[in-house]
Amino acid sequence: QQQVKQSPQSLIVQKGGISIINCAYENTAFDYFPWYQQFPGKGPALLIAIRPDVSEKKEGRFTISFNKSAKQFSLHIMDSQPGDSATYFCAATLNAGNNRKLIWGLGTSLAVNP
Amino acid sequence: DAGVIQSPRHEVTEMGQEVTLRCKPISGHNSLFWYRQTMMRGLELLIYFNNNVPIDDSGMPEDRFSAKMPNASFSTLKIQPSEPRDSAVYFCASSRQGASGETQYFGPGTRLLVL
Repeated sequence: QQQVKQSPQSLIVQKGGISIINCAYENTAFDYFPWYQQFPGKGPALLIAIRPDVSEKKEGRFTISFNKSAKQFSLHIMDSQPGDSATYFCAATLNAGNNRKLIWGLGTSLAVNP
Repeated sequence: DAGVIQSPRHEVTEMGQEVTLRCKPISGHNSLFWYRQTMMRGLELLIYFNNNVPIDDSGMPEDRFSAKMPNASFSTLKIQPSEPRDSAVYFCASSRQGASGETQYFGPGTRLLVL
């Protein structure tokens, strides 16, 4: 119940295309859903995040779509660029009193071909 | 403002040796997280401190692993004795719990190789 399931494991997209990464969860106690981006040799960094009372959030070329009833959320990268090539992690914050840890997906390795 | 600082950046050691990883969180952050990242298991939360107190250590693999946070600006993760299966990248992250969004800021990681 604490899992966040992420797919696909890897993704190859042509420059200018749309990259879509999906995540699903079961636990309704999750109340915050961030996406992190990780470049090789670096730590993950927050990319964009959404709360469950919002169905969509857009920041530049990056959009989160959130479907509360289906317990699914996805990251869309419009006009994908080679510089977007990285590993993307979805996550969810478990609100359990004083314990607010992030539950992480396993990551999606995105390669954008020039 | 400096980000999360980790040391060493790389560590090569032999099986059975003690390994100590260090982390300095971002000033003003009151939550600190230790993660381990491997290809096989992804990003695993090992332990999480809030206001220097361990809140969740359910991810600590076994008694060989221990973590301390003696003050708000320093934490250590110790492995004793180390084993080859401990080889991984260890990340420290910090956040300001209670702040909107509670973004975790990651350090550059320590790449550990146990021979």
